[in-house]
Amino acid sequence: DIQMTQSPSSLSASVGDRVTITCRASHDIINYVAWYQQKAGEVPKLLIYAASTLQSGVPSRFSGSGSGTDFTLTISSLQPEDVATYYCQKYKSAPPTFGQGTKLEIK
Amino acid sequence: QVTLKESGPVLVKPTETLTLTCTVSGFSLSDAGVGVSWIRQPPGKALEWLAYIFWNDEISFSTSLNSRLTISKDTSRSQVVLTLTDMDPLDTGTYYCARIWPFSSGRGLIDYWGQGALVTVSS
Repeated sequence: DIQMTQSPSSLSASVGDRVTITCRASHDIINYVAWYQQKAGEVPKLLIYAASTLQSGVPSRFSGSGSGTDFTLTISSLQPEDVATYYCQKYKSAPPTFGQGTKLEIK
Repeated sequence: QVTLKESGPVLVKPTETLTLTCTVSGFSLSDAGVGVSWIRQPPGKALEWLAYIFWNDEISFSTSLNSRLTISKDTSRSQVVLTLTDMDPLDTGTYYCARIWPFSSGRGLIDYWGQGALVTVSS
């Protein structure tokens, strides 16, 4: 199975900061990566798919990049409502594995 | 609108079999391109994909849980059923069913989630 290694596992940043979360796949997955946001007590929400396509309704401060094995989720200017755990997922083929998650907090 | 709702026992004993039902609305399990995944999340831990089933009965299971899982669907009742045998306290967590984005490339991109069902394994 292809593994997804996500880093960091936790992150503390200030409002307005640029935040970057990375995911590395153990094999080439082209651009079959999604990013989900899960706020405390809530259901995960799709933010980005196909590595860089923003889901409808998601603020433009979120962006994704990467191809092959290395992928990045960036928040250009961190807002208080962005406090959440973020997960990458590879979906090129089964199993559609999730990364271990990155817990993002405000400093 | 699209909704998914999980139902099943809140508490199961070790070694028992867990049976969870996902009832969907707003789409049909027989629609071309439609699939449903099950995903679980232990308290305070990461999401773990378990299984999926597609409209054409294509099925896949987590490699690590393959021997304990079954998945099926009843199109007429709009339900997807997941069973997990030989339950252990480590299987405690919230179990989600989720719709795979129809006709999305690849396998397993999720566009809608159920609210989740918390299952505790304890004697």
